[in-house]
Amino acid sequence: DIQMTQSPSSLSASVGDRVTITCRASDTISTYLNWYQQKPGKAPKLLISGASTLQGGVPSRFSGSGSRTDFTLTISSLQPEDFATYYCQQAYNTPLSFGGGTKVEIK
Amino acid sequence: QVQLVESGGGVVQPGRSLRLSCAASGFIFSTYGMHWVRQAPGKGLEWVAVIWFDGRNKYYADSLKGRFTISRDNSKNTLYLQIETLKAEDSAVYYCARAPSGTYGMDVWGQGTTVTVSS
Repeated sequence: DIQMTQSPSSLSASVGDRVTITCRASDTISTYLNWYQQKPGKAPKLLISGASTLQGGVPSRFSGSGSRTDFTLTISSLQPEDFATYYCQQAYNTPLSFGGGTKVEIK
Repeated sequence: QVQLVESGGGVVQPGRSLRLSCAASGFIFSTYGMHWVRQAPGKGLEWVAVIWFDGRNKYYADSLKGRFTISRDNSKNTLYLQIETLKAEDSAVYYCARAPSGTYGMDVWGQGTTVTVSS
């Protein structure tokens, strides 16, 4: 089974900061990596699929990169509505798995 | 609009069983794979199971095999999750989610239904 490890588990940042979240797979997953945003009390929302494809309606300040085992989600200029928890998910094979999450908080 | 609505959650005693439902609308349900994902209170997301568009293939999280059964009725545009022998650790919000064609991603999510296992 493929394990997904995210870091950091939490971070504090200010509006306008550049934020980077990393996700590492325990085995190669090519680019079968998705990123989700979840706000308190709400369902997750798909932000990026295939490691780097931005979903429709997602602001361009979000970007994803990486392949094989190492992936990155970057928010180029953090906005107030971006404070949330972010999860990576490997979609390479079953059993599917999520990273533990990264909570982005206001500094 | 594309929508998923879960139901069937509630407070259940340990050892009992429960069936969750997910009603789909706004898209051709019979052409999409579907997932169940759960989230225990204050915890991260845990993938539960996926079923292919035609119901022929089903895959489960290793730790949940045997007690969880995913199924679907394409004539009713509805996804199900049967949970047997409920345990306290099954307490969670259960989400259904749509799998984009040919992938194991999750592009549309329901609002979730809460299951609380308690005596």
